[in-house]
Amino acid sequence: DGGITQSPKYLFRKEGQNVTLSCEQNLNHDAMYWYRQDPGQGLRLIYYSQIVNDFQKGDIAEGYSVSREKKESFPLTVTSAQKNPTAFYLCASSYRGRGDIQYFGAGTRLSVL
Amino acid sequence: AQSVTQLGSHVSVSEGALVLLRCNYSSSVPPYLFWYVQYPNQGLQLLLKYTTGATLVKGINGFEAEFKKSETSFHLTKPSAHMSDAAEYFCAVTNSGGSNYKLTFGKGTLLTVNP
Repeated sequence: DGGITQSPKYLFRKEGQNVTLSCEQNLNHDAMYWYRQDPGQGLRLIYYSQIVNDFQKGDIAEGYSVSREKKESFPLTVTSAQKNPTAFYLCASSYRGRGDIQYFGAGTRLSVL
Repeated sequence: AQSVTQLGSHVSVSEGALVLLRCNYSSSVPPYLFWYVQYPNQGLQLLLKYTTGATLVKGINGFEAEFKKSETSFHLTKPSAHMSDAAEYFCAVTNSGGSNYKLTFGKGTLLTVNP
């Protein structure tokens, strides 16, 4: 089945630790996105990539980093610089045409120990 | 710049009643508009989208939305609510021109359906 796989489903971070969230898609989409979701805040864009080896900051990129070495993969690292990392993180992908639908993974819930 | 306002963070209806979830947008160029649904602890699923053409858009699960340019609105409706419709609903907008492909989401409306 084609889709987007996020792992792990739950993740715990210790103080000062970097953690990496995985996102893999087999939809042959060029574009991939990372969003952060907090209760009552909707979805806020962290980073996005429209092509391999290229990515742009979204609205809340501070404290996060990404890479896009393969078309299928777009991992997100939450660094120790992100002081409030507890949230639900969603990965999405789409074709690059304007108005194309973004398809979402099931999310990773990150908590701080 | 583009933005989305969803009026009402929480809407409660009885089973069988009309569902109306409100969305107003701001966009400097003609918009593309989307409604997504999210069930607890899951990702988002597309309900429907408007790009061009017919202003009344039909989606999955009996939902539809009407694009009204004069009111800058894209409200979501369903004639008769079902218990399975209980979820959070997000309206989103992207511009039809320029180099910005980003989606901007509203803050969401939580729909509760009472038996």
